[in-house]
Parts: sequence; structure tokens; C-alpha cells
Amino acid sequence: GENVEQHPSTLSVQEGDSAVIKCTYSDSASNYFPWYKQELGKGPQLIIDIRSNVGEKKDQRIAVTLNKTAKHFSLHITETQPEDSAVYFCAAQRGGTALIFGKGTTLSVSS
Amino acid sequence: DSGVTQTPKHLITATGQRVTLRCSPRSGDLSVYWYQQSLDQGLQFLIQYYNGEERAKGNILERFSAQQFPDLHSELNLSSLELGDSALYFCASSVVGSPNTGELFFGEGSRLTVL
Repeated sequence: GENVEQHPSTLSVQEGDSAVIKCTYSDSASNYFPWYKQELGKGPQLIIDIRSNVGEKKDQRIAVTLNKTAKHFSLHITETQPEDSAVYFCAAQRGGTALIFGKGTTLSVSS
Repeated sequence: DSGVTQTPKHLITATGQRVTLRCSPRSGDLSVYWYQQSLDQGLQFLIQYYNGEERAKGNILERFSAQQFPDLHSELNLSSLELGDSALYFCASSVVGSPNTGELFFGEGSRLTVL
């Protein structure tokens, strides 16, 4: 089955800096790659996703890139703000199967 | 608010006991997923139901079982509880059988502590 590795497990940045979280997946048939943000005491919430026919997608300060050949994808957050502090999960899925998540990255943005 | 309701929010019980976690999906969502979140394992997929039928199974222990009722709410039953079952259990829902075409909406979780 699918296996998703996520790095780093913790990330500390200064406000205004960029943050990058990287994930690799094992199943070459996976074609959907969402990113979820989990704030303290809440459930994960989708922030951006990308499908296998797209190499990059942006939404304001966040962007995701996908390299299907290398089977890895990344989340980029620019101009980080304290409210970006949370746990971020990457996930991968191929059609008809469940979403498999990485172990998460705890992002801390200090002002 | 995601629209997914989970009860109870917190539960403390002893080893060997049995508990039931309940989930009400968003209105109109046919799929329910259960995930277990522990500190060192992240979000582990347990099981998925679609319109009352089991659709996919993950790393769910034999001591655990789930079902989805005609009104689409779901219950996760955990029995013969062990210390290692202490975790946050999330329910998520989506409109279709696979989240590949849409977003997964998570509840706020049920925190289970086994003493």
C-alpha cells in the first residue's frame, strides 16, 4: 500500500520567512496530493491540493509543487505569520483508495 | 466549524473496557472515515464507510469495529482496550466514495485515555 514520508517533523521560522515541508510517496499510481492544517484542539482542514496532471499550484501565500518522476511533493509558505503556526499534514491517494497521511510537521512561527 | 460532529470529546476508561465513539457527518455526505492520531504515528487510516457499506480498511485492529447506520451516522467500537489505544480518534466525511474528487471534512476528534 501507499506510504508517505514527511520532513521535517518540526520547523521553526521567524515571522516573514519562508517555510518548506517535503513529502515523498511510494505508490506511483497515486494522483491526488492534499495538504491539511491542524490547529490546536481542532481537526485537520484542507488548505491546498494538487493533482498529478499539475506541477505547481498557488493560493496566495501557499504553494505546492509536485515531481511525479521523483515521487515527491512540497508545501511552500511565504511571508509566514504567527497564525501559520500549526501541524501540517501531507497526504497521497490513488483512485478508489483511502487518503494516506504523513506523520505531520509542527510549524512554529515566532514574531 | 466543519459540520462533522463527534461525541464524546473526551473519554477516560480502564484497560479491558469497551467504548463507542460516535460521528455525525456533514449533511449530504455519504462517506465516513475514521482515523487514529497518536503522537508518534500521525494520522492512521482505520476504516471507511460509504452509504452504509464498508468501502476500505486500513490498519484497524480486530478489537475495533465500526458501522454506518441508515441515517449515515457512524460508530467506532473499541473493545478490550489497552494502554496503547490512548489516542485522538477523528471522523471525517466527504460527499463521494473517494475524496479524490473533493475535500475531506474532519470533526474535532474524540480523545480517548486508557488508564
